[in-house]
Amino acid sequence: DADVTQTPRNRITKTGKRIMLECSQTKGHDRMYWYRQDPGLGLRLIYYSFDVKDINKGEISDGYSVSRQAQAKFSLSLESAIPNQTALYFCATSDEAGIKGYTFGSGTRLTVV
Amino acid sequence: KNQVEQSPQSLIILEGKNCTLQCNYTVSPFSNLRWYKQDTGRGPVSLTIMTFSENTKSNGRYTATLDADTKQSSLHITASQLSDSASYICVVSARGSSGSARQLTFGSGTQLTVLP
Repeated sequence: DADVTQTPRNRITKTGKRIMLECSQTKGHDRMYWYRQDPGLGLRLIYYSFDVKDINKGEISDGYSVSRQAQAKFSLSLESAIPNQTALYFCATSDEAGIKGYTFGSGTRLTVV
Repeated sequence: KNQVEQSPQSLIILEGKNCTLQCNYTVSPFSNLRWYKQDTGRGPVSLTIMTFSENTKSNGRYTATLDADTKQSSLHITASQLSDSASYICVVSARGSSGSARQLTFGSGTQLTVLP
């Protein structure tokens, strides 16, 4: 099994719909992250969580919300999807301070039409 | 503003050849630099992690170099294989007391294609 599992792998949704992307990890790390990847751009941080009670906005959090249901689970929601949220979304986890690097999921390709 | 620039944007080489990918950064204060490999449809996977005091680090056919004075890093791939076809991403971390995730800056990657 993968260390970081994202569901769904692909999703097409309509403008205005609410959608949730789910992420679970088996690394036992406290830190989890949601990133967005667009063509020609580096990954950009949407939200991050250092433990179950800690949620922080990243550089592009507008239009998104998150929920840390447990140490192993971190979900990302688009409350009202819009076409420019079409992107590849990655969940990641790391040890404290990310010294050993980040472990990424395989990504969710989201298309908003 | 912290930035990471990678070059070239894309590169095509023949199987068995060597290649070098470049990464220039303006992240301060510098903590470490990572190279990731991202296969199509997959998440990035760490290749190397280098701190300020490290000049070279190898991982099999991958060798990363770091010049902290000029703020440049390179990733050299030796005897390329078809499976090396991927995007290679340079990620630079700024040093901070809390280890905040805000401190990571990602490059946009170099898309490498290895042809038979």
